[in-house]
Amino acid sequence: NAGVMQNPRHLVRRRGQEARLRCSPMKGHSHVYWYRQLPEEGLKFMVYLQKENIIDESGMPKERFSAEFPKEGPSILRIQQVVRGDSAAYFCASSPLGQPYNEQFFGPGTRLTVL
Amino acid sequence: AQKVTQAQTEISVVEKEDVTLDCVYETRDTTYYLFWYKQPPSGELVFLIRRNSFDEQNEISGRYSWNFQKSTSSFNFTITASQVVDSAVYFCALTLGSARQLTFGSGTQLTVLP
Repeated sequence: NAGVMQNPRHLVRRRGQEARLRCSPMKGHSHVYWYRQLPEEGLKFMVYLQKENIIDESGMPKERFSAEFPKEGPSILRIQQVVRGDSAAYFCASSPLGQPYNEQFFGPGTRLTVL
Repeated sequence: AQKVTQAQTEISVVEKEDVTLDCVYETRDTTYYLFWYKQPPSGELVFLIRRNSFDEQNEISGRYSWNFQKSTSSFNFTITASQVVDSAVYFCALTLGSARQLTFGSGTQLTVLP
């Protein structure tokens, strides 16, 4: 059973360009989460999605950032007009349905560098 | 709002020593879940353990053990007879029963020297 897949693993962008990060959850998982890890810091929650729905985006910056999880295909985290402060590791996690709460399985992350 | 504090930023030990990583959490909810994750130098996050707020039993898994104490809001992690391969950043995390997102501590960098 393949784990959570993220691509690209490394992404370099110049200021003002767009960055698209992709995440394919584990098979059978219907919940996707995005986290950002700034250098020397812990992970910070950004957004939680189910198929075709954004459930909680309380951690998303108000501008330039958006996320989707379409009915078919991977979840996408999109950053428009990137700035140097967007340089970070972006992790995607997935979990299955059900209670009690299930652990989140993380992908290997995408390291974004903004020049 | 909930919070997780890992006061130890960096710890260095010599191989075969025991080491305890501290985690203190804050929440007003009575239902919550605590986690430990390991982030080796390669960068991925590896799940180690989950604990719910109603289960205060300590747990042992090989060289790893966890001590959950609600009275002190702590969920400490001990590695016995540490090995060089244990070198990593360890994160403690919390989620509420009513939510899904994880709140992470800032992590503890553990270095095990040969």
